[in-house]
Amino acid sequence: DAKTTQPNSMESNEEEPVHLPCNHSTISGTDYIHWYRQLPSQGPEYVIHGLTSNVNNRMASLAIAEDRKSSTLILHRATLRDAAVYYCILRAYSGAGSYQLTFGKGTKLSVIP
Amino acid sequence: ETGVTQSPTHLIKTRGQQVTLRCSSQSGHNTVSWYQQALGQGPQFIFQYYREEENGRGNFPPRFSGLQFPNYSSELNVNALELDDSALYLCASSSRRNANTGELFFGEGSRLTVL
Repeated sequence: DAKTTQPNSMESNEEEPVHLPCNHSTISGTDYIHWYRQLPSQGPEYVIHGLTSNVNNRMASLAIAEDRKSSTLILHRATLRDAAVYYCILRAYSGAGSYQLTFGKGTKLSVIP
Repeated sequence: ETGVTQSPTHLIKTRGQQVTLRCSSQSGHNTVSWYQQALGQGPQFIFQYYREEENGRGNFPPRFSGLQFPNYSSELNVNALELDDSALYLCASSSRRNANTGELFFGEGSRLTVL
């Protein structure tokens, strides 16, 4: 399975932008890049996904390198509610119509007031 | 719109016992997957169900089994519990129509402690 590499932890000041990096050098052409986050005592929550082009939604932006071997999740203005573990995941087809998410340990983001 | 609900939220079992965890998928979602999350780790894929059939499985032994019902709700059964089965068990639902791109909606999980 294609794997991702993320820093264990990052810190950000409140109301400043945050750039969360992810390396996925073994990504295949059909793998989608997904980001989820997990707040304390909750299940993971979808943030954003992309294939080749940069993507924006109400929560964040996703910048994907041209060779697709890395990507960056951008939170434009961090709030205290953004403190969570952020997972960069390659969503891969595992046969018979099944797509599974392979989570790593993620990046624990702390937001400083 | 009702989200993914799981029950029970917490439970304690002893080694060798059996456990059943339940999940109601989000309205309109016909695919359910289960994940195991050990403390301090990311979730690990157990299996996925679509149309009441298992159609994908991670690296888990056969004592982990499941069911999906006609209303798309699901159960996870674990037999012969081991201490290492202590974890948060997460259920996620999705629409088959968006299988390769769509988001998964996770419940808050069932925390199982095996003594």
